[in-house]
Amino acid sequence: TQLLEQSPQFLSIQEGENLTVYCNSSSVFSSLQWYRQEPGEGPVLLVTVVTGGEVKKLKRLTFQFGDARKDSSLHITAAQPGDTGLYLCAGKSSPANEKLTFGTGTRLTIIP
Amino acid sequence: GAVVSQHPSWVICKSGTSVKIECRSLDFQATTMFWYRQFPKQSLMLMATSNEGSKATYEQGVEKDKFLINHASLTLSTLTVTSAHPEDSSFYICSASNRETYEQYFGPGTRLTVT
Repeated sequence: TQLLEQSPQFLSIQEGENLTVYCNSSSVFSSLQWYRQEPGEGPVLLVTVVTGGEVKKLKRLTFQFGDARKDSSLHITAAQPGDTGLYLCAGKSSPANEKLTFGTGTRLTIIP
Repeated sequence: GAVVSQHPSWVICKSGTSVKIECRSLDFQATTMFWYRQFPKQSLMLMATSNEGSKATYEQGVEKDKFLINHASLTLSTLTVTSAHPEDSSFYICSASNRETYEQYFGPGTRLTVT
């Protein structure tokens, strides 16, 4: 069974600070996705990373896929209250397998 | 963009009754849809994979006779919670995989409360 552990589980920081969320596994994934979910809603896809070592930027969010494709990180610069939410990583074991394994989640709260 | 809808968005039912939740891909065809369950402050847990025209594949520990899945068309999958009990109360989320791009898109979820 593939497991994705996210850390930290909870994070509460002041507006303007930087933060990093980690997503780790002992298994290799063909691709990894990051989602943000708000209360009472479904997850919304932020990014998909496919290549080991890949770095993708989405405004103030920077996503990195580990060289061995077993881990990933999400870095947010100058956090804003609108960044508050549950951040989930999810991996696919192979390109042909559409099933996603979700991480344990990181609940982020940005204090104005 | 790709939109997935769920109906109803929330439902309250009495213990022992059955509840049907619909998941629709509105602007694309999905040969595969997935059903997840999410407890408060937790991540998503995959319950089953729904394949159009064939039987669903259930994850270990999920009772297939209790959670009936039907995927009768390329745009609709349904999850029926049979003989619901209070412990079935949860947030149920579906996702649909675009048959051309293999991207997965999530529905807004259905909050089920069993009293």
